Amino acid sequence: DIQMTQSPASLSASVGETVTITCRASENIYSYLAWYQQKQGKSPQLLVYNAKTLAEGVPSRFSGSRSGTQFSLKINSLQPEDFGIYYCQHHYDTPWTFGGGTKVEI
Amino acid sequence: EVQLQQSGPELIKPGASVKMSCKASGYTFTSYVLYWVKQKPGQGLEWIGYINPYNDDTKYNKKFKGKATLTSYKSSSTAFLELSSLTSDDSAVYFCAKGTARATGWFVYWGQGTLVTVSA
Repeated sequence: DIQMTQSPASLSASVGETVTITCRASENIYSYLAWYQQKQGKSPQLLVYNAKTLAEGVPSRFSGSRSGTQFSLKINSLQPEDFGIYYCQHHYDTPWTFGGGTKVEI
Repeated sequence: EVQLQQSGPELIKPGASVKMSCKASGYTFTSYVLYWVKQKPGQGLEWIGYINPYNDDTKYNKKFKGKATLTSYKSSSTAFLELSSLTSDDSAVYFCAKGTARATGWFVYWGQGTLVTVSA
């Protein structure tokens, strides 16, 4: 199975700052990567798929990128509602697997 | 508006089975793949499998073969996940999630989750 490794495990940032979360795949997954946000006690919400395509309704301050097997989710001008846990997930081949999550605290 | 309404929390004894539901509304049920994902308390996410309600084709994560069974009823736009021979390791929240027309592997819209607690 493909292993997804996220870093950092947690971070704290202020409103207005730019935050970057990274995710590394254990092998080449091309651009088959998604990002989700999950708030406490809620279900995850899709942010990005195919590494850089924003899901419907996702604010443009979110962006995704890829460099080889390393992927990044960037949040420009962090907002109070952006707190939560962010997960990456590859959708290259089954079994699709998730990273361990990055907790973002405001 | 897309909605996935999942069934309520379950308290199940070890060794028993549980069947939970995911009722879809706001879209054509048979046009989109439905996924199931497991989340143990305070932990990450695991993909269990998916079902195509159009033809009932299924695909499972090999880790869940023999543990999970996916079915669907077109007439009620409802999908089901059954877990058998439950142990404490099966205690988790189980989410259903709507996909795209094909099994592209990203999960577009999620249900609220069903909490399963396995305890004597």
